[in-house]
Amino acid sequence: EIVLTQSPGTLSLSPGERATLSCRASQSVSSNYLAWYQHKPGQAPRLVIHDASSRATGIPDRFSGSGSGTDFTLTISRLEPEDFAVYYCQQFGSSPPLYTFGQGTKLEIK
Amino acid sequence: EVQLVESGGGLVKPGGSLRLSCAASGFAFNHAWMTWIRQAPGKGLEWVGRVKSKTSGGAIDYAAPVKGRFTISRDDSKNTLYLQMSSLKTEDTAVYFCAWQAISHFNYWGPGTRVTVSS
Repeated sequence: EIVLTQSPGTLSLSPGERATLSCRASQSVSSNYLAWYQHKPGQAPRLVIHDASSRATGIPDRFSGSGSGTDFTLTISRLEPEDFAVYYCQQFGSSPPLYTFGQGTKLEIK
Repeated sequence: EVQLVESGGGLVKPGGSLRLSCAASGFAFNHAWMTWIRQAPGKGLEWVGRVKSKTSGGAIDYAAPVKGRFTISRDDSKNTLYLQMSSLKTEDTAVYFCAWQAISHFNYWGPGTRVTVSS
């Protein structure tokens, strides 16, 4: 089973600042099948990035994803008030469990 | 507009059963791969299981913690996904989300339905 470790656990920043979230895998993620989700309390999680660097439909271009192999990054270039949420990374593998998530990074307003 | 709405959650005793539903609209449900994901209180997200579309063979896969106790099914005539949960344990307490997925990721999610397993 591939374990995803996200850091930091909590990130405190101000609107307008740059956010860098990390996701490290215990083994190489096949075909860079790494996705990022935004989750606000009481709401449906929202796909932000898939295949490591492809923005999902409707996601503003201040969000970008990068990385390959075992190290991946989600960058938000200039934080807007609506960006503060918990972010999860997720990978797809060929062996069970097929899909695993990181433990999440809480992005909070400083 | 894609919409996914879960229902059927509630309070159930350990060892009991519950069936969750997920009503889908705004996309071709019969061609969609669908998945269930849960989030226990104060915890992260955990994949529960997936059903492929019938045109992709209809295979169903489960995570180890629920295999043999949970059953995923779909009714394409009703655009509805189901999760039949039996032999429930306290550790199954969670918010359960359904999602429309691509092969490797989850495109759209519902807001979830809460399941509490407690005596």
